[in-house]
Amino acid sequence: KQEVTQIPAALSVPEGENLVLNCSFTDSAIYNLQWFRQDPGKGLTSLLLIQSSQREQTSGRLNASLDKSSGRSTLYIAASQPGDSATYLCAAGPGGGGADGLTFGKGTHLIIQP
Amino acid sequence: KAGVTQTPRYLIKTRGQQVTLSCSPISGHRSVSWYQQTPGQGLQFLFEYFSETQRNKGNFPGRFSGRQFSNSRSEMNVSTLELGDSALYLCASSLWAGGVADTQYFGPGTRLTVL
Repeated sequence: KQEVTQIPAALSVPEGENLVLNCSFTDSAIYNLQWFRQDPGKGLTSLLLIQSSQREQTSGRLNASLDKSSGRSTLYIAASQPGDSATYLCAAGPGGGGADGLTFGKGTHLIIQP
Repeated sequence: KAGVTQTPRYLIKTRGQQVTLSCSPISGHRSVSWYQQTPGQGLQFLFEYFSETQRNKGNFPGRFSGRQFSNSRSEMNVSTLELGDSALYLCASSLWAGGVADTQYFGPGTRLTVL
């Protein structure tokens, strides 16, 4: 059974800093890995999707990498802003056709101090 | 293009009752997945529908069921509600079958409180 872990559980940094959020998964036979953000009381917003054959994806100030062999993904946020404050979730898409849907980590609660 | 919509946004029910939640996917999306989010367990997969057929199901009891209509709208039903069913229920849509292989777009969720 796939397990996804996110470290740290919470992070508070001053505005302008670059930061890295970590995600690890136990079963490397994933179809893809997705990063989402969730604002309080809201649904999830998709940030980046990395297919299993890819190593990284970039969108604006965000860069996500995937290393299947080590079971790790990182989300790099450059020049952080207060509007980046949210909970960031990574989710592993299963291999073999999606029998179990996405498996989510518990998230990293990020606070960017103005 | 309108996003994923879920109705109602908030619900309060009592133990033993049943509830039906609705999800309208993004226009053109044919896959709909449902997730339960609680503080203790986080996000957990309930089931996925494509072309009116349930393709996958998570590890939830039979009290949790769903269906999908020909216009891709989906409903989920929880019968004989328990206190532990209190959660945020999220619906996600994606473009094609094997929805988890494609970007998932989530709705705002339905907050269910069971008293």
